[in-house]
Amino acid sequence: EPEVTQTPSHQVTQMGQEVILRCVPISNHLYFYWYRQILGQKVEFLVSFYNNEISEKSEIFDDQFSVERPDGSNFTLKIRSTKLEDSAMYFCAMAGTSGNPGEQFFGPGTRLTVL
Amino acid sequence: GQSLEQPSEVTAVEGAIVQINCTYQTSGFYGLSWYQQHDGGAPTFLSYNALDGLEETGRFSSFLSRSDSYGYLLLQELQMKDSASYFCAVGRGYGQNFVFGPGTRLSVLP
Repeated sequence: EPEVTQTPSHQVTQMGQEVILRCVPISNHLYFYWYRQILGQKVEFLVSFYNNEISEKSEIFDDQFSVERPDGSNFTLKIRSTKLEDSAMYFCAMAGTSGNPGEQFFGPGTRLTVL
Repeated sequence: GQSLEQPSEVTAVEGAIVQINCTYQTSGFYGLSWYQQHDGGAPTFLSYNALDGLEETGRFSSFLSRSDSYGYLLLQELQMKDSASYFCAVGRGYGQNFVFGPGTRLSVLP
């Protein structure tokens, strides 16, 4: 089964600091997503990325957030100036161009704790 | 707007059958997916319906009625390892993001 990896598994940071969360995608998957999940709550969409550009973003994805594929493989989410309410689990996910359209492959997540 | 509703909690015993319902109101609908998430884990895909009717995958089945904006996940022969949260998610097109429901926490008792 395809595997998505994310680093770090846990990130602790001070409020106002920048963090970069990384995701290593599955080859042949072209659609990339970032979701977040505050503890005990639902999974919330942040941004989708296709063909090296943002295809859609949610209201949560404000100017503090950015995404990129710096080297054509890794997929990163940057939060420029973290806030306490950014504490959450961040999942990257991806989908291919074939197979089940209802299936996205999720990485194991990065737990971000903002102090 | 986008809204999905699910029961917050369901409890059942090993070997039983449980049904988790999901109703949705979304702008755009391509299909309804179901994901399982164990505590501390990532969502993992269980089932998908694009058309009305029942889809069966082993012990799990999923149903969709597009006219009623309603679906359910049916889990049979419950096992302790099925204790997890279950999310319905609406897909709005191929490659589009999912809108997730609030999740249903299933507890399977011995």
